[in-house]
Amino acid sequence: KQEVTQIPAALSVPEGENLVLNCSFTDSAIYNLQWFRQDPGKGLTSLLLIQSSQREQTSGRLNASLDKSSGRSTLYIAASQPGDSATYLCAVTNRDDKIIFGKGTRLHILP
Amino acid sequence: DTGVSQDPRHKITKRGQNVTFRCDPISEHNRLYWYRQTLGQGPEFLTYFQNEAQLEKSRLLSDRFSAERPKGSFSTLEIQRTEQGDSAMYLCASSFQGAPYEQYFGPGTRLTVT
Repeated sequence: KQEVTQIPAALSVPEGENLVLNCSFTDSAIYNLQWFRQDPGKGLTSLLLIQSSQREQTSGRLNASLDKSSGRSTLYIAASQPGDSATYLCAVTNRDDKIIFGKGTRLHILP
Repeated sequence: DTGVSQDPRHKITKRGQNVTFRCDPISEHNRLYWYRQTLGQGPEFLTYFQNEAQLEKSRLLSDRFSAERPKGSFSTLEIQRTEQGDSAMYLCASSFQGAPYEQYFGPGTRLTVT
């Protein structure tokens, strides 16, 4: 059974710092891995999707990596801003087409 | 707007009442998924459709829950005799069958059962 774990559960950093969020998964037979952002009480915003054959994806200040063999992904946020404060969810799409989510990392950027 | 839409965005109901949510997927997508997210947790899979056929239901989907996609387009999720434990965000997603296996999520319906 696929399990997705995100560490840390919560993180507070001063504005301007670079930071890394971690995600691990137990079954490497996935189609893709995706990072989402969720603001309080809101839906999901897709940030980056990495196909199983890819190693990383970049969008602006965000970079996500995927090491399928070790079951790990990282989301790197450069030059953090207060507007980056949100919950970040890691999710994998299994071979049965279901998405399994982690519980998220609550990020707070201190002004 | 050609994304996934959900209606209503918020629903407050009293325990024991029935509620129904609607999801309109991206028009070309033949797969539609329902997820539920409780406070502090990631979303969890409930059920999914390919065209009008419901292919799988999670054990989370008790017999008080029913989902339909009668014409292979929009879908409804009904909860009968709501309980306080049903309070959650209900998320809908749609996709093509097959590669690139990317699901597109709607804004969600937040249900509060009082």
